[in-house]
Amino acid sequence: QQPVQSPQAVILREGEDAVINCSSSKALYSVHWYRQKHGEAPVFLMILLKGGEQKGHDKISASFNEKKQQSSLYLTASQLSYSGTYFCGTPGSARQLTFGSGTQLTVLP
Amino acid sequence: EAQVTQNPRYLITVTGKKLTVTCSQNMNHEYMSWYRQDPGLGLRQIYYSMNVEVTDKGDVPEGYKVSRKEKRNFPLILESPSPNQTSLYFCASWSYSYEQYFGPGTRLTVT
Repeated sequence: QQPVQSPQAVILREGEDAVINCSSSKALYSVHWYRQKHGEAPVFLMILLKGGEQKGHDKISASFNEKKQQSSLYLTASQLSYSGTYFCGTPGSARQLTFGSGTQLTVLP
Repeated sequence: EAQVTQNPRYLITVTGKKLTVTCSQNMNHEYMSWYRQDPGLGLRQIYYSMNVEVTDKGDVPEGYKVSRKEKRNFPLILESPSPNQTSLYFCASWSYSYEQYFGPGTRLTVT
């Protein structure tokens, strides 16, 4: 089942902060985040593992609440290069991912 | 250079004319997958493969076929394309680390 992302879209100015949420109806042991810039392929950002370990991007942080089956991506002091669509993904039994419908982030100068 | 390649990048075809979209990776990854991307629906998985000769359905497999005869290749076959298969298609590969590498995408239009 597809995880649910919110908001669907957000527009902010350079330097502002944004939070993107991802929730799942099933128990999670990890959450995966990807970013897709316009006209390009999705690119891996980070993996959040049960127990708090985080692997990935050094300028974007995230949290993972296993009990609530939720994850949040925090983009602080946004840069123009942060613009794009952010997807969270939840793993299946064969290491495949089910992605959410995405959050479109637009950073204006 | 580590990469996933897809061909063709753009394709316009007519209803019912069989087509194949190729996908190849040079990273010796065990896992490969096909997604379709439609506005507002995100990335939806069509089929995935855990290794040579091992494939399974994703969330939207109807109207598609795949095969995995070699580790590096994972072609997507549409035997009788219909207009509702007009979409942007991505191939991806990954290993045990879960980090997926995506191809550049194939934009398919079925008229």
